[in-house]
Amino acid sequence: DGGITQSPKYLFRKEGQNVTLSCEQNLNHDAMYWYRQDPGQGLRLIYYSQIVNDFQKGDIAEGYSVSREKKESFPLTVTSAQKNPTAFYLCASSPRTGWNTEAFFGQGTRLTVV
Amino acid sequence: GDSVTQMEGPVTLSEEAFLTINCTYTATGYPSLFWYVQYPGEGLQLLLKATKADDKGSNKGFEATYRKETTSFHLEKGSVQVSDSAVYFCALSDPDFGNEKLTFGTGTRLTIIP
Repeated sequence: DGGITQSPKYLFRKEGQNVTLSCEQNLNHDAMYWYRQDPGQGLRLIYYSQIVNDFQKGDIAEGYSVSREKKESFPLTVTSAQKNPTAFYLCASSPRTGWNTEAFFGQGTRLTVV
Repeated sequence: GDSVTQMEGPVTLSEEAFLTINCTYTATGYPSLFWYVQYPGEGLQLLLKATKADDKGSNKGFEATYRKETTSFHLEKGSVQVSDSAVYFCALSDPDFGNEKLTFGTGTRLTIIP
C-alpha cells in the first residue's frame, strides 16, 4: 500500500538534545512538507521540499533543519535551538503537478521535552 | 497574506443532527479550497475540495460550496454520526505560491453524542 510513514509515533527529548523525526513516502511524490500542530493554532509550515537536494523554509523554520537526499525521505531534526519543541509533528507529500492537488499526511510524531 | 478563519469549537451535536462548520478565507490569488479531517491520534485526511467558484465538493455525506462572493467554504452534513467525531480543518492553496503554501485554519473539534 502506498502512503507516508512517520516514526517514531512518540518521542521524548531531554533539554539540549537534538532529535530526528523520520518521514518516508512510497507515493513517488516530488514535494514533501513538515508541519507543526499545537492546540488551538492549526498547522504551521516548518520546511518544504519540491525536489531532491532542495528545500525551503516555511513560516516557523527557526530551530529546525531538514535534508532531502532521496526522493522518498525527508527527515526533520529538532535542534536544541528550538525553545519550545513539544508538539505534534506532521509530514506530508504531494505530486508536484500544481496548486490544486491534495496533500497526503502521515500519522504524526508526538514530541515531548522532559 | 493568506489566512483561513474557522468557527470556534468545540462543537457537540446529537446523532442525526444537521452540521455546519463555517470557514472564510483571505487570499491574494484565486485559491483552491479544502476540508481535511483528523481522527484522534492520526494525521490529516482530505475530506473534500473545490478548485473554482461555485464548485461543490462532496464526500461521505459532507458538502461544501466555493463561494467567491462571500469568500466562504462552509462544511455541511445533513445527518451526523458518532463516527464523524474528529477535528475538521479548512485550508487553502494559493496559486501565487503553489502547493507549498497550504494555509490551514485552527481546526474545529466535533463531538457527536449518541
